[in-house]
Amino acid sequence: EAQVTQNPRYLITVTGKKLTVTCSQNMNHEYMSWYRQDPGLGLRQIYYSMNVEVTDKGDVPEGYKVSRKEKRNFPLILESPSPNQTSLYFCASSDTGGFNTGELFFGEGSRLTVL
Amino acid sequence: GQSLEQPSEVTAVEGAIVQINCTYQTSGFYGLSWYQQHDGGAPTFLSYNALDGLEETGRFSSFLSRSDSYGYLLLQELQMKDSASYFCAARSNDYKLSFGAGTTVTVRA
Repeated sequence: EAQVTQNPRYLITVTGKKLTVTCSQNMNHEYMSWYRQDPGLGLRQIYYSMNVEVTDKGDVPEGYKVSRKEKRNFPLILESPSPNQTSLYFCASSDTGGFNTGELFFGEGSRLTVL
Repeated sequence: GQSLEQPSEVTAVEGAIVQINCTYQTSGFYGLSWYQQHDGGAPTFLSYNALDGLEETGRFSSFLSRSDSYGYLLLQELQMKDSASYFCAARSNDYKLSFGAGTTVTVRA
């Protein structure tokens, strides 16, 4: 089954404790992206990657890191989480043709709470 | 950067037609997409316009006017299952995809 898988789905952590949210897709997609969703703000792009070893900042990259060492994986790293990073996070992917048609495939989301 | 405006809420009865407008301000605009999201679940793709005009996909249609920086999503023959949030998203030439804040559609019996 074609899918984008995120882990963990739910996490409660404390300020300053490094964490990684993994994202993996099995569709051989070139493009991958991370979004955060907060009430009233819609989805805001954190980072995106056009292909392996190619990443770029989205609209809200502060406090986050990403890497794209393999085509299928695009982990999101919070080196020192803070309470303002409490949010619902989505990973998404598409192939080049799909991206040209605006179609992203989203994971189920990861709800992160930073105390 | 990108800025997209859409209404926050729309309420309608079953069987009705709803139009969700989206205006955008963007540099390097490439195309406009629409997504549906139920109760914080994964957003799902509905439609996309890169050229001016209407795209029809079943009960859902989407329209774009590049000269007016405006688009809309039309939901016809509303069903209870259409109660959800709907987002417009603008793709730019630098491969970014920016979303509006979303419109919550409530369908009443």
